[in-house]
Amino acid sequence: AQTVTQSQPEMSVQEAETVTLSCTYDTSESNYYLFWYKQPPSRQMILVIRQEAYKQQNATENRFSVNFQKAAKSFSLKISDSQLGDTAMYFCAFMKRNSGYALNFGKGTSLLVTP
Amino acid sequence: EPEVTQTPSHQVTQMGQEVILRCVPISNHLYFYWYRQILGQKVEFLVSFYNNEISEKSEIFDDQFSVERPDGSNFTLKIRSTKLEDSAMYFCASSEGAGNSNQPQHFGDGTRLSIL
Repeated sequence: AQTVTQSQPEMSVQEAETVTLSCTYDTSESNYYLFWYKQPPSRQMILVIRQEAYKQQNATENRFSVNFQKAAKSFSLKISDSQLGDTAMYFCAFMKRNSGYALNFGKGTSLLVTP
Repeated sequence: EPEVTQTPSHQVTQMGQEVILRCVPISNHLYFYWYRQILGQKVEFLVSFYNNEISEKSEIFDDQFSVERPDGSNFTLKIRSTKLEDSAMYFCASSEGAGNSNQPQHFGDGTRLSIL
């Protein structure tokens, strides 16, 4: 079974600053995908960024980027130029390839962006 | 942008009663999922569904739970005899494909189920 660990229950960052959210996972699989989802107070979970395990290059989406360290089983999310709208719960998730496609989530990190 | 829609947003039910949670996935999506999130805990996978059958289910998804796609648009989760511990936020998700990060799962707003 896969486990996803987010060791930071809460974090705070000032507007325009950079923040990094950590995620580690445990798996014996070699083919898998990793995701970061964002859940604002409005509740709907939104995909932020995704990474294929077979790709060495770190994914980036505008102000969001990841640091994927496959050997260390680490998948951190960096948010640059933080905005007030980034305030949300952030979930790291793991998905095996060629499976029933279940997302396995971490417990989440609550990020507060302050003015 | 197309969305996954869930109804109702909040359901209050007496323990022992049956409850049906409804979801309308994105129209061209073929894979459907249910997750739940007990207050203060992580989001947990319940079941995935494709081609009118269950693809995978978790240990949580016992005989009290069932899923159905009764018509071309709705995807439902039924809890036959609700227990207090079924109180949670239930999320529906859908994806165009599966096992592929280019076809990620899109989530609805969730239904908050409260069992009294």
